[in-house]
Amino acid sequence: GAVVSQHPSWVICKSGTSVKIECRSLDFQATTMFWYRQFPKQSLMLMATSNEGSKATYEQGVEKDKFLINHASLTLSTLTVTSAHPEDSSFYICSAPHTGTPSTDTQYFGPGTRLTVL
Amino acid sequence: AQSVTQLDSQVPVFEEAPVELRCNYSSSVSVYLFWYVQYPNQGLQLLLKYLSGSTLVKGINGFEAEFNKSQTSFHLRKPSVHISDTAEYFCAVSVGGRRALTFGSGTRLQVQP
Repeated sequence: GAVVSQHPSWVICKSGTSVKIECRSLDFQATTMFWYRQFPKQSLMLMATSNEGSKATYEQGVEKDKFLINHASLTLSTLTVTSAHPEDSSFYICSAPHTGTPSTDTQYFGPGTRLTVL
Repeated sequence: AQSVTQLDSQVPVFEEAPVELRCNYSSSVSVYLFWYVQYPNQGLQLLLKYLSGSTLVKGINGFEAEFNKSQTSFHLRKPSVHISDTAEYFCAVSVGGRRALTFGSGTRLQVQP
């Protein structure tokens, strides 16, 4: 079946540094990818929609200058957390729709990236 | 906008007992419905989905769910659970297969021996 990978699976960084997280669709092309954030013991909240060849669309309350998204190719989207702070510590998960017909598209999720900011 | 309510944050159950995890949704348009499972420190795995057609949907690992339009519910059931079913379960909706999902708050299923 379709596979979505994320790298790194976990990262620890110092406050003020930037961290890049990659999301790849391994055996299919994805013109759209989604980035979610999950705080401990909470649900997934959509942060932004990554669009290949155009600007990302951010959800209300998500700072686009802090969470930079680049959808450089049909198989790769990156999320860069700039000037990270401890409150950015979270589990970041991406997903990509594997397109069939619009009614049968299935979202495939990456395994997630655990970010800890010290 | 859509919303999803999972009524139980935790469901403890003994091994081999049946279980039902409840999910209700709200939407002004037709939606697709999903159940995902998440094991600790892992991503999400699709259990089953309802797009159209038969309201009883069978998924992986012996799970099934029934779409009830009048009650706007999509409850997940399994007739006999195993220890390995211990995980977090999320109900989700979308307005299209290529659209982002709106998730419920999750239900922690704890299967005890």
